[in-house]
Amino acid sequence: DADVTQTPRNRITKTGKRIMLECSQTKGHDRMYWYRQDPGLGLRLIYYSFDVKDINKGEISDGYSVSRQAQAKFSLSLESAIPNQTALYFCATSDSRVGNTEAFFGQGTRLTVV
Amino acid sequence: AQRVTQPEKLLSVFKGAPVELKCNYSYSGSPELFWYVQYSRQRLQLLLRHISRESIKGFTADLNKGETSFHLKKPFAQEEDSAMYYCALRSSGGYNKLIFGAGTRLAVHP
Repeated sequence: DADVTQTPRNRITKTGKRIMLECSQTKGHDRMYWYRQDPGLGLRLIYYSFDVKDINKGEISDGYSVSRQAQAKFSLSLESAIPNQTALYFCATSDSRVGNTEAFFGQGTRLTVV
Repeated sequence: AQRVTQPEKLLSVFKGAPVELKCNYSYSGSPELFWYVQYSRQRLQLLLRHISRESIKGFTADLNKGETSFHLKKPFAQEEDSAMYYCALRSSGGYNKLIFGAGTRLAVHP
């Protein structure tokens, strides 16, 4: 099931570098999300988007920015990466048009900042 | 404040033993709660939601508003149940945002 695809799957980058994580979906969903997963903290919401004209900050948006280039694409950028941004990042989608509130997740991107 | 608490980082049981993964929440109003599961090398996926009152893979979860809990239970654990389990609460304010607990790793030993 590759409905929500994240690239790259793994990335090592240096402190201060700019990096972009990409997410694309073929589910036709309007809502997209970026979460960060840290051991012992679960998943925390970074940014979310209702559609291409709607971008909202989540719980931990500092140091991150996003771009919703199309309904199917939602990118997360770290303008100047720092070591405490080392984490597993997940993109997710959901559909506002149905009562089903299930979120569908990508495979995750493991980012290491050295 | 809206919050989900999973007090156990790791739950280790033997095959055939009963399992209960604990989840407590803080929410004003009527909560909508979910259990998500992440098997090794697989993506996070929905296991069940309280409004469906369903049993998936032998797991059930009952919402107890008095105790603000949504514990996940299975009477007889199987090795294939070994995974990371996350309890999640649908946040107020629309957008279907989810608030996750820290997760519990379930290890089922033969």
